[in-house]
Amino acid sequence: QKEVEQDPGPLSVPEGAIVSLNCTYSNSAFQYFMWYRQYSRKGPELLMYTYSSGNKEDGRFTAQVDKSSKYISLFIRDSQPSDSATYLCAMSASNTGKLIFGQGTTLQVKP
Amino acid sequence: ETGVTQSPTHLIKTRGQQVTLRCSSQSGHNTVSWYQQALGQGPQFIFQYYREEENGRGNFPPRFSGLQFPNYSSELNVNALELDDSALYLCASSKIADQETQYFGPGTRLLVL
Repeated sequence: QKEVEQDPGPLSVPEGAIVSLNCTYSNSAFQYFMWYRQYSRKGPELLMYTYSSGNKEDGRFTAQVDKSSKYISLFIRDSQPSDSATYLCAMSASNTGKLIFGQGTTLQVKP
Repeated sequence: ETGVTQSPTHLIKTRGQQVTLRCSSQSGHNTVSWYQQALGQGPQFIFQYYREEENGRGNFPPRFSGLQFPNYSSELNVNALELDDSALYLCASSKIADQETQYFGPGTRLLVL
């Protein structure tokens, strides 16, 4: 069993839809939770960063962490065709610098 | 502020050869981490460098080695290339006080024939 599980999709939604992306994990030592966006043939771009449990909002993006359920989510409101990319969740235990990534979910937003 | 840069962008090698990939970290960052991303998979941690020494390693064999230089740039060396080493190699930089906030370069795509 992988430490971080993420449904690879693909996920296709119409423009303007609310998108929900999720990851589950098994390692209770994880304290830091990140979401990255990766366009085709590019490096991952850091979108959201959350420490421990709770919610964090940045523009159209909201990240949620539920440590009791070992479950994290990324919500994208008013999705745009430019949001079409692969979304990677990543996690880390304290002060290790070692990020453990999910497989990534491919999202397509259709105009 | 200059972001993370990597060179070369693409590389083709044959099995058994050796390869060196290069990375320049973002301005103000002092740690460099390397990841391997196979097609359709998430990146896998290879190792991290801080103060010119290896500061953590993932599940990769010793033929994967690295260097960090005084200007915080870094190299990833892979000896005795295997077909399964074909992947996108990503470099990420961060500050040691905030290791989890890592910024990635565009990657080097390596194809081993």
